Amino acid sequence: KNQVEQSPQSLIILEGKNCTLQCNYTVSPFSNLRWYKQDTGRGPVSLTIMTFSENTKSNGRYTATLDADTKQSSLHITASQLSDSASYICVVSPTGTASKLTFGTGTRLQVTL
Amino acid sequence: NAGVTQTPKFQVLKTGQSMTLQCAQDMNHNSMYWYRQDPGMGLRLIYYSASEGTTDKGEVPNGYNVSRLNKREFSLRLESAAPSQTSVYFCATERGANSGNTIYFGEGSWLTVV
Repeated sequence: KNQVEQSPQSLIILEGKNCTLQCNYTVSPFSNLRWYKQDTGRGPVSLTIMTFSENTKSNGRYTATLDADTKQSSLHITASQLSDSASYICVVSPTGTASKLTFGTGTRLQVTL
Repeated sequence: NAGVTQTPKFQVLKTGQSMTLQCAQDMNHNSMYWYRQDPGMGLRLIYYSASEGTTDKGEVPNGYNVSRLNKREFSLRLESAAPSQTSVYFCATERGANSGNTIYFGEGSWLTVV
């Protein structure tokens, strides 16, 4: 069964600090991996999309890495801000269509003063 | 700058009642999706429409029906609501069923069935 596991489940960091969120997947075959940010009470918003051949992709202070051999991805947030407080969801696609996505349960990040 | 619009935002239903969640997009996307999000679980696909005129079941279709009214609109209907359908529902769109396309989500509809 295709699965996406994220760690940690939740994380609290001080504003200005960096953090790294982890995603392990067992989805096969593999087409792409996505990271989404979901603010409380809002819909998910896309941060990055990486295909098999991409190792790193950045979006401002967000940098995602992918190791397709070990089936692991990470999302690194640099110089965190209060507005980074949200859930971060890892999503893996075995094919090219969104009808086959496997969603992780997310990491809940809280950035405090 | 509407993107994907869902209505209603909040709804409380009694068991056995019916209702329809509406979704409209202004991005001229071909594919539309309905997901549900439950605590401790990843989003799960209920139904999708790869293009206007087509609909297909997703992972958890039981108790739901959908209608792709036109290219812009995709509705989700609960014919006889059950407490197990208490959830947050998200509509999503994609330009086409192709790898690498960004998927855009609506803001969600919170449904409680009592």
